[in-house]
Amino acid sequence: GQQLNQSPQSMFIQEGEDVSMNCTSSSIFNTWLWYKQDPGEGPVLLIALYKAGELTSNGRLTAQFGITRKDSFLNISASIPSDVGIYFCAGQLRGNTPLVFGKGTRLSVIA
Amino acid sequence: ETGVTQTPRHLVMGMTNKKSLKCEQHLGHNAMYWYKQSAKKPLELMFVYSLEERVENNSVPSRFSPECPNSSHLFLHLHTLQPEDSALYLCASSQGALAEIGELFFGEGSRLTVL
Repeated sequence: GQQLNQSPQSMFIQEGEDVSMNCTSSSIFNTWLWYKQDPGEGPVLLIALYKAGELTSNGRLTAQFGITRKDSFLNISASIPSDVGIYFCAGQLRGNTPLVFGKGTRLSVIA
Repeated sequence: ETGVTQTPRHLVMGMTNKKSLKCEQHLGHNAMYWYKQSAKKPLELMFVYSLEERVENNSVPSRFSPECPNSSHLFLHLHTLQPEDSALYLCASSQGALAEIGELFFGEGSRLTVL
């Protein structure tokens, strides 16, 4: 089945640093999404990408839909303690197919 | 009211118990989902309901039994579970079936522990 390889699995950073994580697949996806899950909560959608090459920002977050449609990255600038959590990428091949999720990147921010 | 509400938030049950998880969505969405989240694994889709009809069942063991009485409510009935079924069970909803534009809205999850 389709799989997403998300890296890194975990990262520890100092407050104020920038963060970069990515997701790759052997399959082409037509939609890429990034979710964040806070401890004890369900995932919340951060950014949705619908077009190859698309670069979208949401505050300090920026995500890009890779031109090959097989990858996506998420950057967080000037990290703050509330950025702590697990970040998931998800891809959708086409409408009416289930989302495929990565295993997540666990982010810890040291004040 | 938050968009997707799950109860209970925590559940501990023995292997011979019967319990149910409940999900309610207040977003007017047409599709609802159950996902299983285990440590160090991707989210696993268990069931999808669109307009109250099941459209996808990813070969989930019969000890998990979903019920969708209307478009706002979804249940997961549990019986004779195994310890490996311990996980966070997430409910989600979307405007269209199978998240046509990928935007799932998740509940906070029900943390299940099977002893």
